[in-house]
Amino acid sequence: DTAVSQTPKYLVTQMGNDKSIKCEQNLGHDTMYWYKQDSKKFLKIMFSYNNKELIINETVPNRFSPKSPDKAHLNLHINSLELGDSAVYFCASSLRAGTIIVAGELFFGEGSRLTVL
Amino acid sequence: AQSVSQHNHHVILSEAASLELGCNYSYGGTVNLFWYVQYPGQHLQLLLKYFSGDPLVKGIKGFEAEFIKSKFSFNLRKPSVQWSDTAEYFCAVIPGSARQLTFGSGTQLTVLP
Repeated sequence: DTAVSQTPKYLVTQMGNDKSIKCEQNLGHDTMYWYKQDSKKFLKIMFSYNNKELIINETVPNRFSPKSPDKAHLNLHINSLELGDSAVYFCASSLRAGTIIVAGELFFGEGSRLTVL
Repeated sequence: AQSVSQHNHHVILSEAASLELGCNYSYGGTVNLFWYVQYPGQHLQLLLKYFSGDPLVKGIKGFEAEFIKSKFSFNLRKPSVQWSDTAEYFCAVIPGSARQLTFGSGTQLTVLP
């Protein structure tokens, strides 16, 4: 069983299109994250939801909109895609106790590689 | 700006060689420290972590890391690498009661058979 699963794994699309990436975790965690990994492998947090509530929102263009229908799902919708959006997007999950990540451990999905042409 | 630095971008070793990957952070106060590994085509997974206590921590697959507070460092070591250790290695920090994990830029390790 995959603990954190993302779909699609690969996504190739044209500039200006709108696309979504879905993420689901079956670990019973209460917090989920989206990270962006650029071409230099640098991982940067984009968003985090705790029990469906947005708790981290880094400086990300408002073309990116996360949606968490329940604590097991965190989807990422991107409007008006640009060339610079090409990257690998990683979903992750963890448990939290207040503001602290329990045991400091995040569980990652396998990533979704987005290519914008 | 506060950050996590990994100065080695790409390290190439032969099998059985010893490994040390550098990680420095610039946060003051209490920090929690981690090393994650990303094998080719796979997701990130935790290698080891330091919260408190013994500054020398042991992780999976024979890896260890030493927290040196005075140097703001958390270097990863392995006495004898294997071809299967070829992967991207990420150092990460949670400063104090911060709510997020901040990653370094990663080090690509290539082990030649």
